Amino acid sequence: GQNIDQPTEMTATEGAIVQINCTYQTSGFNGLFWYQQHAGEAPTFLSYNVLDGLEEKGRFSSFLSRSKGYSYLLLKELQMKDSASYLCAVRDPTGGFKTIFGAGTRLFVKA
Amino acid sequence: DTEVTQTPKHLVMGMTNKKSLKCEQHMGHRAMYWYKQKAKKPPELMFVYSYEKLSINESVPSRFSPECPNSSLLNLHLHALQPEDSALYLCASSQEENSPLHFGNGTRLTVT
Repeated sequence: GQNIDQPTEMTATEGAIVQINCTYQTSGFNGLFWYQQHAGEAPTFLSYNVLDGLEEKGRFSSFLSRSKGYSYLLLKELQMKDSASYLCAVRDPTGGFKTIFGAGTRLFVKA
Repeated sequence: DTEVTQTPKHLVMGMTNKKSLKCEQHMGHRAMYWYKQKAKKPPELMFVYSYEKLSINESVPSRFSPECPNSSLLNLHLHALQPEDSALYLCASSQEENSPLHFGNGTRLTVT
């Protein structure tokens, strides 16, 4: 089966840097995604990692270590609008079109 | 056009009603999905269509019936729902198996 763990909530200050961790346990691996979801809205795609290392996209970066079953999402220069839930998701290793989501981390950015 | 469009945005229905949720994408994506999301919970996969054929049914009760009339459209037919089925229903599409999901804005369903 699949197990994806991430912290339930985090709080950070505007302008700071925050790192949201995600660990996963799967029998195989086909890629890891990060999505952002504002309250009452649909999730939007942030990043995708399939190989080890860091992927940078503007203020957001995502890191993957397949040997450790570990990923993090790094948000720099935090803005109030970054207050949202951040969902770690793993593509089912058995193939097909199944994306399994973690419970999400609710990030609160304070002034 | 890079959107996934869902209608209606809100739906209130009784337990004896029959209604349908609609989803449309014009990005040429080969896969389309239905997810259900309860408050403060992650999206839960319900159905996957690949090339207009149902490829995954996550043991969803038969009161939910998906339909894919063509490669751009995905419907979810609802009948005899229960109050616990009240949730946000999200449609998504993806280009390929390992491509990111593109979500619609969802239909907020309330069953009374």
